[in-house]
Amino acid sequence: GAGVSQTPSNKVTEKGKYVELRCDPISGHTALYWYRQSLGQGPEFLIYFQGTGAADDSGLPNDRFFAVRPEGSVSTLKIQRTERGDSAVYLCASSPTIRRTRENNEQFFGPGTRLTVL
Amino acid sequence: AQKVTQAQTEISVVEKEDVTLDCVYETRDTTYYLFWYKQPPSGELVFLIRRNSFDEQNEISGRYSWNFQKSTSSFNFTITASQVVDSAVYFCALSGGFQGAQKLVFGQGTRLTINP
Repeated sequence: GAGVSQTPSNKVTEKGKYVELRCDPISGHTALYWYRQSLGQGPEFLIYFQGTGAADDSGLPNDRFFAVRPEGSVSTLKIQRTERGDSAVYLCASSPTIRRTRENNEQFFGPGTRLTVL
Repeated sequence: AQKVTQAQTEISVVEKEDVTLDCVYETRDTTYYLFWYKQPPSGELVFLIRRNSFDEQNEISGRYSWNFQKSTSSFNFTITASQVVDSAVYFCALSGGFQGAQKLVFGQGTRLTINP
């Protein structure tokens, strides 16, 4: 089946502009995660959704960052007033949530969106 | 707080050598999960393995093996008879709790280069 897809694959914008990054999770996966990966670093958690609601947004760096998942499937990460420091690869992941076992399942990652803020 | 440390930034070996990637973690959770992911040059993270904190049994999958030791908070990854295709950045990650879905805390990664 199809994996996690992210669009666009690359986004170049100017400082101060608004951007939206889209994530299409694996069909049926209830949990969706956003991470940010800077060059030479491991991914850093931003936010995670269980269904439509944000279950943990503790990783969002400030109020310029916001994410939604209105129908419990596709998610959009929104960044306002972009800054050069926002340049990174933004990764989306999804995982199934097996309520019966309540185990932490592996997350399946998309190819990422490379954001460059000039 | 949770933390994952991969002290080896880069490793370079000749093909067919065995190589071990180290991972040390910190957590206050009594139930937690450990993961290894591979990030090839294409950039997409590929899941390799998941272990829960109650299962210290070592695991072998083909040329890959994992050594989980709670006493030293380590979850090391060994590739036997390495191949050029194993060249990638490898990440160790940790998630805590027992609630069905949790964020991953990643280490800094180890860049592994296998030379022909």
